Amino acid sequence: RKEVEQDPGPFNVPEGATVAFNCTYSNSASQSFFWYRQDCRKEPKLLMSVYSSGNEDGRFTAQLNRASQYISLLIRDSKLSDSATYLCVVNKGGGTSYGKLTFGQGTILTVHP
Amino acid sequence: EPEVTQTPSHQVTQMGQEVILRCVPISNHLYFYWYRQILGQKVEFLVSFYNNEISEKSEIFDDQFSVERPDGSNFTLKIRSTKLEDSAMYFCASSQNERQGITYEQYFGPGTRLTVT
Repeated sequence: RKEVEQDPGPFNVPEGATVAFNCTYSNSASQSFFWYRQDCRKEPKLLMSVYSSGNEDGRFTAQLNRASQYISLLIRDSKLSDSATYLCVVNKGGGTSYGKLTFGQGTILTVHP
Repeated sequence: EPEVTQTPSHQVTQMGQEVILRCVPISNHLYFYWYRQILGQKVEFLVSFYNNEISEKSEIFDDQFSVERPDGSNFTLKIRSTKLEDSAMYFCASSQNERQGITYEQYFGPGTRLTVT
């Protein structure tokens, strides 16, 4: 089983649509969770950290279910500028694992007019 | 807004040559990282660095790789004898704080595209 697994997509949605991405992780000891976005041939940019209580930042909502080892990202009212690859990222934590981030393969989103 | 910078943006080298990739982390950050991304693949962790020593390294980070913080601002990745399979985008990242098992947000530089011919 992959350490961090995402549906690769691609997701093609019209402007204004709501789209949801899912991610599962294999290590139950994982402690920190993030969503990054990556534009073509650019660096990953932090979108948001994900907390057990769930968190929202404008049009973006992230959820974490530790029991199911599942993370989600919901984007409401999609904009053309949301087109990117969305990366689910996990820090395993524990032991000497200081800061090692494990990335999913990414989910490609294309928002069209 | 403070950001991580990297130079060069693109490096072309011949197989067997040494390369040094340079990074300037965000100034008040204490933890530094290198990741790489082979074209079409996911981002992979290489090494983390804190207090002038390696905290953790991956299997990819073999004896051909080394990291250094030569002064108060730069953080470098050296590949001693490059191979074709080292061709990738190399990202530097930094974070402000960390404690065991809990990672705070890491911010990535724009990357250096390394092409080994």
